[in-house]
Amino acid sequence: EVQLVESGGGLVQPGRSLRLSCAASGFTFDDYAMHWVRQAPGKGLEWVSGISWNSGSIGYADSVKGRFTISRDNAKNSLYLQMNSLRAEDTALYHCAKDITRGSLSYFSYAFDIWGQGTMVTVSS
Amino acid sequence: EIVLTQSPGTLSLSPGERATLSCRASQSVSSSYLAWYQQKPGQAPRLLIYGASSRATGIPDRFSGSGSGTDFTLTISRLEPEDFAVYYCQQPRTFGQGTKVEIK
Repeated sequence: EVQLVESGGGLVQPGRSLRLSCAASGFTFDDYAMHWVRQAPGKGLEWVSGISWNSGSIGYADSVKGRFTISRDNAKNSLYLQMNSLRAEDTALYHCAKDITRGSLSYFSYAFDIWGQGTMVTVSS
Repeated sequence: EIVLTQSPGTLSLSPGERATLSCRASQSVSSSYLAWYQQKPGQAPRLLIYGASSRATGIPDRFSGSGSGTDFTLTISRLEPEDFAVYYCQQPRTFGQGTKVEIK
């Protein structure tokens, strides 16, 4: 079964850091770009960051650029999001998502065909 | 950054009716990069349409996508009870704000 399982969320104070992880199974992880997408409570979807299969192409939303770092470990079938200098507006459910296109050298995605259920990040004092 | 604007914000329809959802881009978008998702409460989004008009695996043929340039449409030909949900369009890096399809 193709599956993405996020972990690492929790309650954190403003200005602190958190690292999210996404464990992939059921597909050849290192064939696909991967992404993080977040959803604030009661709000819509916001793309956060994407990384190509070989980590050669990486992109960030303007709202997180300079604070968040995406990475992956293909040997461990895992995707990560290091979040620094967290703000209240980063409070959201963070989903990892798989790119639909195999072997793309760019993080630019046609679509996300598999999504995890998400891990909740709450930034509050 | 391209902005996607979806309309209407809410669509109130009855089962069996046709739903037409609009997604307008602030500048021309390659059709290859336009996708539609369905999201139900408490669930992750589900890919419906990619490349503006290609149905994802397992998606019923009552869902169809069309459009090009700056104007794209998702059509649900006959609403089933399980189709009442929020729908998002997407191009790389951006999602629309969503259209809620609710039972009238």
